[in-house]
Amino acid sequence: EPEVTQTPSHQVTQMGQEVILRCVPISNHLYFYWYRQILGQKVEFLVSFYNNEISEKSEIFDDQFSVERPDGSNFTLKIRSTKLEDSAMYFCASSEIGTVSGANVLTFGAGSRLTVL
Amino acid sequence: RKEVEQDPGPFNVPEGATVAFNCTYSNSASQSFFWYRQDCRKEPKLLMSVYSSGNEDGRFTAQLNRASQYISLLIRDSKLSDSATYLCVVNRGSTLGRLYFGRGTQLTVWP
Repeated sequence: EPEVTQTPSHQVTQMGQEVILRCVPISNHLYFYWYRQILGQKVEFLVSFYNNEISEKSEIFDDQFSVERPDGSNFTLKIRSTKLEDSAMYFCASSEIGTVSGANVLTFGAGSRLTVL
Repeated sequence: RKEVEQDPGPFNVPEGATVAFNCTYSNSASQSFFWYRQDCRKEPKLLMSVYSSGNEDGRFTAQLNRASQYISLLIRDSKLSDSATYLCVVNRGSTLGRLYFGRGTQLTVWP
């Protein structure tokens, strides 16, 4: 079964450092997303991306965050200057088409755990 | 008011029991509804989509009441492997892939 892969699985960084989280979406999917989940809290939407540009972003996705599709397979999330409150599990997801419905759903990667010290 | 609200539980039930989870959503414009399950420290995985007429997938039955903005999940004949957190998830339809998650309801099935 096709899957979304994410690297690294766990990253520890110092406050103020830049972090790049990487994702390889499912190959025929065109829409890509980042979500995050702070420990013990709900999964929250960060950003959606289609056709090499951001489609939508949440209030969480401020100027410290950026996304990029540097080549035909990778989709990255960069946090420019990490803060303690950025510690969370970051999930990448992809979908074949943009409209979420019963027939078209998001497939999530296993996540990248970010710990900011 | 939260976008999606769920009873956090935990629900502790014996194998073979029937258990039901409820969820309410605040935005009446919501169009798509799902139940995901999440194992500890893992990614959310789709359990089932929820259709207006209600739908069943094996031991799992989902119901949607648009008038009350209420979604339910019924699990029959619980298995040990059903132990997980069940996430109620809603999409407004107009926003590409933006899902709103509830905090989840924790289920433990004991032998």
